Amino acid sequence: SAVISQKPSRDICQRGTSLTIQCQVDSQVTMMFWYRQQPGQSLTLIATANQGSEATYESGFVIDKFPISRPNLTFSTLTVSNMSPEDSSIYLCSAGQGQNQPQHFGDGTRLSIL
Amino acid sequence: LAKTTQPISMDSYEGQEVNITCSHNNIATNDYITWYQQFPSQGPRFIIQGYKTKVTNEVASLFIPADRKSSTLSLPRVSLSDTAVYYCLVASYSSASKIIFGSGTRLSIRP
Repeated sequence: SAVISQKPSRDICQRGTSLTIQCQVDSQVTMMFWYRQQPGQSLTLIATANQGSEATYESGFVIDKFPISRPNLTFSTLTVSNMSPEDSSIYLCSAGQGQNQPQHFGDGTRLSIL
Repeated sequence: LAKTTQPISMDSYEGQEVNITCSHNNIATNDYITWYQQFPSQGPRFIIQGYKTKVTNEVASLFIPADRKSSTLSLPRVSLSDTAVYYCLVASYSSASKIIFGSGTRLSIRP
């Protein structure tokens, strides 16, 4: 299975600033996803990162707030823009080959906004 | 749009077999059922995946009845290290499929 590395693992940021989270996969993958997980709660899909095209966002998430890049088949970034305390959460990247192959997860980025 | 329902929590003892059931009444024809384990401060870890009947690997078994409206994750002879949150996910990753994680089951294993 693919190994997914996320950077940074955690950060503390000031409100109004932006942070870009990187996700690197050790092999080429068809699909990459970004999730948000509040402490003690389940995962919520933010968007599917599409290689060579715009990301597909889930209801409640917009590109201006969470711009996503996917320049190739092994790398993606998620930016959390104009952060507020409500954006404090764990952000997780996952990757998979689609076609009903399971997705595998990184260990997440724990983000705190002051 | 498959939504899953799992027990919020379960308790068991070391050496016991633990069965966690997930209900997914609206599962679509192309959807697969995947189970994940998550420890604190880590991402979910893949356990097992299946479509129908029974699947077994080195750590767990997955039982899926013919109507596929539920599934049961079976963990044989659990240990303290199996204390974690377990998520059931139903998805096909097609353009028409939504990926929705259930609320998860917090499994506590006691000595």
